[in-house]
Amino acid sequence: AQSVSQHNHHVILSEAASLELGCNYSYGGTVNLFWYVQYPGQHLQLLLKYFSGDPLVKGIKGFEAEFIKSKFSFNLRKPSVQWSDTAEYFCAVGGGGYNKLIFGAGTRLAVHP
Amino acid sequence: GAVVSQHPSRVICKSGTSVKIECRSLDFQATTMFWYRQFPKQSLMLMATSNEGSKATYEQGVEKDKFLINHASLTLSTLTVTSAHPEDSSFYICSASGGASGEQFFGPGTRLTVL
Repeated sequence: AQSVSQHNHHVILSEAASLELGCNYSYGGTVNLFWYVQYPGQHLQLLLKYFSGDPLVKGIKGFEAEFIKSKFSFNLRKPSVQWSDTAEYFCAVGGGGYNKLIFGAGTRLAVHP
Repeated sequence: GAVVSQHPSRVICKSGTSVKIECRSLDFQATTMFWYRQFPKQSLMLMATSNEGSKATYEQGVEKDKFLINHASLTLSTLTVTSAHPEDSSFYICSASGGASGEQFFGPGTRLTVL
């Protein structure tokens, strides 16, 4: 069955700490991978995506993610978080571009100044 | 960026009534719209995909007669929850895609509470 697993439901960090949010997926065939962010009171927004090519993907606001096919993983990283990164982060997988996305349960990140 | 709105943002209704939720793409033409449902502390679950002018495609386990989807124009899709029951209480989110990239842009969601 197709699924996405996010390991951490809640993460609390201090500003300037490094961030890594885990995402593992189970999906047959060609896979497209996404990270979305939802800031408090706002819509889901695309943070970054992987369709093909370089498995290290850079997104907005200093975020990056690495697709490791052998581990079925697409972990999100940021070397130094800011208070404004406080949000909920969703990993998603799809098989045809942006269609039929399967989302993980989300990770709620709180960054303390 | 592309903007998607939903109306209403919150709705409370009595059991047995029907509720309509609107999803609009404000500054682009959405050839495809998606409807998701989100339970507390759980992920977004895709309910259905609708293409303008054609019938929606429902995901397995989603009752098409209960969750009526209409995508009559390139800027509007509606989800009607018919004969709502308390177990239909949830957060309903739409997204819209259009253009070459096909990127989905999400609405703010609608909180439905059925008493």
